[in-house]
Amino acid sequence: AQTIHQWPVAEIKAVGSPLSLGCTIKGKSSPNLYWYWQATGGTLQQLFYSITVGQVESVVQLNLSASRPKDDQFILSTEKLLLSHSGFYLCAWSDITEVFFGKGTRLTVV
Amino acid sequence: GDKVKQSPSALSLQEGTNSALRCNFSIAATTVQWFLQNPRGSLINLFYLVPGTKENGRLKSAFDSKESYSTLHIRDAQLEDSGTYFCAAETTGGNNKLTFGQGTVLSVIP
Repeated sequence: AQTIHQWPVAEIKAVGSPLSLGCTIKGKSSPNLYWYWQATGGTLQQLFYSITVGQVESVVQLNLSASRPKDDQFILSTEKLLLSHSGFYLCAWSDITEVFFGKGTRLTVV
Repeated sequence: GDKVKQSPSALSLQEGTNSALRCNFSIAATTVQWFLQNPRGSLINLFYLVPGTKENGRLKSAFDSKESYSTLHIRDAQLEDSGTYFCAAETTGGNNKLTFGQGTVLSVIP
């Protein structure tokens, strides 16, 4: 069975500090990978997607970047956090049909 | 305007009663997914639908691509059904990009 693991579970970071969030998928070869963002009390918005190692497409510009260094790993990062980056970040995978989400990382920027 | 419009935005149900949630699409949805987001934030997959109907226990969902809507019926509501229900539509063009509705916050009361 496929498992998706996100880290960290939660972060409190200062404005202007760097950020790195990670996601690992096990049990699935060459999945499509996604990053989604959810503001508190809001809906989910896709940020990035990747269909293969080294290839990442940006969907929404939020001063964030993503990378896929390995087939099973997806990283979300920024060098300088903004207050508006606060929220819930979810990694997801699909096999071109149904999309499955990780448990998310709750980010608070202060 | 909203590409995926969910209604109602909030709902309070007596335990044991039935209700229906709805999503209307102003985009050409090809598939629909329904999720339940629990208080911790995890998204639980409820249904993945191509046009048609699916049933799972006390839940039943339908997707009509011609009339551009989807419904989620909850029968005999239980306390553990409480949470936020999201529908999400995928359109042609690939990458499994899901456009989410704003969610329905469901509270089941004893």
